[in-house]
Amino acid sequence: NAGVTQTPKFQVLKTGQSMTLQCAQDMNHEYMSWYRQDPGMGLRLIHYSVGAGITDQGEVPNGYNVSRSTTEDFPLRLLSAAPSQTSVYFCASTPRVMDTEAFFGQGTRLTVV
Amino acid sequence: DAKTTQPPSMDCAEGRAANLPCNHSTISGNEYVYWYRQIHSQGPQYIIHGLKNNETNEMASLIITEDRKSSTLILPHATLRDTAVYYCIAHGSSNTGKLIFGQGTTLQVKP
Repeated sequence: NAGVTQTPKFQVLKTGQSMTLQCAQDMNHEYMSWYRQDPGMGLRLIHYSVGAGITDQGEVPNGYNVSRSTTEDFPLRLLSAAPSQTSVYFCASTPRVMDTEAFFGQGTRLTVV
Repeated sequence: DAKTTQPPSMDCAEGRAANLPCNHSTISGNEYVYWYRQIHSQGPQYIIHGLKNNETNEMASLIITEDRKSSTLILPHATLRDTAVYYCIAHGSSNTGKLIFGQGTTLQVKP
């Protein structure tokens, strides 16, 4: 199993550009979520999904869109990138089982200039 | 999910036990206490979790007070590779997969 795979690992965008951060998991986990981490801060929840076709907002959803058409994939879209979105982005997946941990990808480091 | 409070930083001598405290005074009866750590801005890594009994695995021990308002993560023999940010999270058993992180504790293990 590859676990949770995020692509790309690094990205530089110009203000106003759009892009999609990819997240894929091969563990058949029902739950997936996106976080951002700014320097010196803890992770903050952007969006999450409890299954294919179901998504919901987290703590900091503005400026980001998500969709979940398959169990495996949970892409995060930036429609018009802003410098305030410069951050490290983490994707996580969790099985729908009580009393179990989340599995995280290795992150995408995004810089918006 | 209940809010958790941790000290921002701690030091520990290599080979000694590292005891990381966490306060979760508003935790509800069905919320577990989870610990994760993050090394060098990598993705967070699960360490251990518990509900009300003390737990031990190959990485650490978790001591939860009887009233469940606080807990302590114990790394029994800290190494330099244990230098990381440690996060304590109180998470309900409904487990929708969303986690609310605090600032965590930066543990510096010194030679």
